[in-house]
Amino acid sequence: LAKTTQPISMDSYEGQEVNITCSHNNIATNDYITWYQQFPSQGPRFIIQGYKTKVTNEVASLFIPADRKSSTLSLPRVSLSDTAVYYCLVGAYNAGNMLTFGGGTRLMVKP
Amino acid sequence: KAGVTQTPRYLIKTRGQQVTLSCSPISGHRSVSWYQQTPGQGLQFLFEYFSETQRNKGNFPGRFSGRQFSNSRSEMNVSTLELGDSALYLCASSLELLGTGTPEAFFGQGTRLTVV
Repeated sequence: LAKTTQPISMDSYEGQEVNITCSHNNIATNDYITWYQQFPSQGPRFIIQGYKTKVTNEVASLFIPADRKSSTLSLPRVSLSDTAVYYCLVGAYNAGNMLTFGGGTRLMVKP
Repeated sequence: KAGVTQTPRYLIKTRGQQVTLSCSPISGHRSVSWYQQTPGQGLQFLFEYFSETQRNKGNFPGRFSGRQFSNSRSEMNVSTLELGDSALYLCASSLELLGTGTPEAFFGQGTRLTVV
């Protein structure tokens, strides 16, 4: 499994765009990059997944440079309800594997 | 459609007892995986069941076991509870086995187990 490195925590204010970067230097050719969001005492929730370039859905955008050694989750105009832990997973879907979560980034959105 | 349902939501047990947790996956999903989450260790994979068979197992002692029924519902059992077993236990369901390209696992809200 590719090791991921994310900031432990980030602060932001309502209405701002938040970018959380994840480093994954030893990502394999077949690996996808997936982000989950988790609120306290709840299970993680899938946000977005990508392989290369840019992916956008109704919740977030995921930017992946050509070398794929990092990825950036972009949350547009965050609100207080976006306060959560965000996990970056890489290579979690290799055959016979399981979901392996790193430490995650604790995002605090302030009013 | 209904999401992943875990019961009970909260549980208090005494050291040495055993406990059974239940997980009902999303209709049509065949894979159920279980995770333990603690402040110190984060989210750790316990095991995955698919078509009533355990397919993957994490690094947990044999006190942790599970099973899956023909309707894909799954139970997790922990015997001889220890104080360190206090955690949030999460299950996730997915259409196919994790690792077969299915991009998304859906998690339940978890069972908060406290061992006293």
